[in-house]
Amino acid sequence: KNEVEQSPQNLTAQEGEFITINCSYSVGISALHWLQQHPGGGIVSLFMLSSGKKKHGRLIATINIQEKHSSLHITASHPRDSAVYICAAARGTGNQFYFGTGTSLTVIP
Amino acid sequence: KAGVTQTPRYLIKTRGQQVTLSCSPISGHRSVSWYQQTPGQGLQFLFEYFSETQRNKGNFPGRFSGRQFSNSRSEMNVSTLELGDSALYLCASTATGTEQYFGPGTRLTVT
Repeated sequence: KNEVEQSPQNLTAQEGEFITINCSYSVGISALHWLQQHPGGGIVSLFMLSSGKKKHGRLIATINIQEKHSSLHITASHPRDSAVYICAAARGTGNQFYFGTGTSLTVIP
Repeated sequence: KAGVTQTPRYLIKTRGQQVTLSCSPISGHRSVSWYQQTPGQGLQFLFEYFSETQRNKGNFPGRFSGRQFSNSRSEMNVSTLELGDSALYLCASTATGTEQYFGPGTRLTVT
């Protein structure tokens, strides 16, 4: 069993739709990260969460420590949001990560 | 600030050879982590270096090793390459308690 489970694996949405990607983890964590990877490989860190909720523009990330669950929401989705979204659980001291398998998002105009 | 740089960007090697990849972190970042990404296994943590010491290690064989220099630049080495080592190798640097900044990666092909 993977320490970090993500769903859905693939997601297709119409432009403007509200999108939710879920991440569940089974290990104790120091922080939960959401990453975005565009075709070509480059990875960008979107959020680092240890509690509560964070918002950057149209992106919102939440975490429930008791339930070991995090969600990434995209409001008013746009084709440029098409990418793979990966959640990563950081354990212990430093940056030892366990990664989810990623959610491939395609937003259709 | 300049971002994380990795060299080389692309590399083709033959089975049995060894390879060294380099990562220069963002100025001031003391932590450098290395990851392997393959279509089958996704992203996997290799190891993390902090102030020239290996702080964390993933579940990879001893053929995978790394080091960090006093200027925080890091190298990883893979000896006795296998076909399954073909992957995108990513490094990321962090300042204490902050998010990670990823480099563009080195795409290694083993033939």
